[in-house]
Amino acid sequence: VQLEQSESEVKKPGSSVKVSCQASGGTFSTSVISWLRQAPGQGPEWLGVISPYFGTTNYAQKFQDRVTITTDESTNTAYMELSSLRSEDSAVYYCSVRGSFTYFDFWGQGTLVTVSS
Amino acid sequence: QSVLTQPPSVSGAPGQTVTISCTGSSSNIGAVYDVHWFQQVPGTAPRLLIFGNTNRPSGVPDRISASKSGTSASLAITGLQAEDEADYYCQSYDSSLSAYVFGTGTKVTVL
Repeated sequence: VQLEQSESEVKKPGSSVKVSCQASGGTFSTSVISWLRQAPGQGPEWLGVISPYFGTTNYAQKFQDRVTITTDESTNTAYMELSSLRSEDSAVYYCSVRGSFTYFDFWGQGTLVTVSS
Repeated sequence: QSVLTQPPSVSGAPGQTVTISCTGSSSNIGAVYDVHWFQQVPGTAPRLLIFGNTNRPSGVPDRISASKSGTSASLAITGLQAEDEADYYCQSYDSSLSAYVFGTGTKVTVL
């Protein structure tokens, strides 16, 4: 499975960002896709997960009211939208696909989101 | 503020052994949830190194091993090589947070 993410973004505080992740080499409709982020010098932080097959999403409590994960099966693309951005949301955002072993077997290359006035 | 705690750094000379600990609690490692380990070279995405507490995916050398006991887990790298220089993260699930969680990370330096 290969995951290609969208380019870096610079956003103003209070705005929203939408990051995309296009999958190839697997069966997208049965995939389980997670979104994570990693701030400089910190470990990855899980934001949420989507299962296109079951039509379900599950979000981390911390981001429940600000994150929305969707998919477009016609283009094998997953999206993560984070709203009400603040400076502490500046990080590299990753998509990841469940494989045979864990929920995070395959990773995208990452998308840098910078929140700055 | 991760719920899985790792030492910030470990180091060793080529050929030596280093061990990385991952300390959790009864709501994650101490529960029924598996521990996985990831390696991350700066500027790249994490790569799966160990799954299901002790198992290596194909392509990971057998000088890398891991274990789990109680509320902790550990990763060992024997015969340390320059290519092992990277950041390492443990990962599990936490039932109190209802979230997948990662450790604070450990930087391995080959002297």
